Amino acid sequence: AQSVTQPDIHITVSEGASLELRCNYSYGATPYLFWYVQSPGQGLQLLLKYFSGDTLVQGIKGFEAEFKRSQSSFNLRKPSVHWSDAAEYFCAVGLPSGNTPLVFGKGTRLSVIA
Amino acid sequence: DAGITQSPRHKVTETGTPVTLRCHQTENHRYMYWYRQDPGHGLRLIHYSYGVKDTDKGEVSDGYSVSRSKTEDFLLTLESATSSQTSVYFCAISESPMNTEAFFGQGTRLTVV
Repeated sequence: AQSVTQPDIHITVSEGASLELRCNYSYGATPYLFWYVQSPGQGLQLLLKYFSGDTLVQGIKGFEAEFKRSQSSFNLRKPSVHWSDAAEYFCAVGLPSGNTPLVFGKGTRLSVIA
Repeated sequence: DAGITQSPRHKVTETGTPVTLRCHQTENHRYMYWYRQDPGHGLRLIHYSYGVKDTDKGEVSDGYSVSRSKTEDFLLTLESATSSQTSVYFCAISESPMNTEAFFGQGTRLTVV
């Protein structure tokens, strides 16, 4: 079965600093890949997704992610973090066929300090 | 925002009582899901539905049942609530399970005392 690993449970960055959140997946073929964000007390919102093609994908709120097949990774990046980016971030994997729902990582909580 | 409504938003119940959570959508999406979110565990799939009366189990389905008699409604029932079922429950919908965006509801915070 496919799995998703987010190695960092909690990350703290300074406002204006760059950010990279890690995501690794385990699956034989290239799955569909997603990043979601959850603000406190809210549901999840899609930041970006990768299906095929250009391995660098752009999302909302200035986020981008890069798919690296050789590393089975799909890391999320932002060049300059804003205080409003403080939230929990989830990486998710979908299989290219069948009815199998998305599998989510355990999440990375981002704190932003002044 | 996608039209997903979860009810109730908050509930406190006693151990051993039955509880039903409701998810209602206005998007006519085929797929609906129930997840629970717990610290350190992220989101875990309880049950999902791929059509009216078509449901399947997720990774943490024990103690839960679901029903979907209409496209727009997906009910999650805890037959006899236990303290381990204290959690935040999220409903999600999508047109397909893997390659389209899943839209999430606002969540239901359930406390079993």
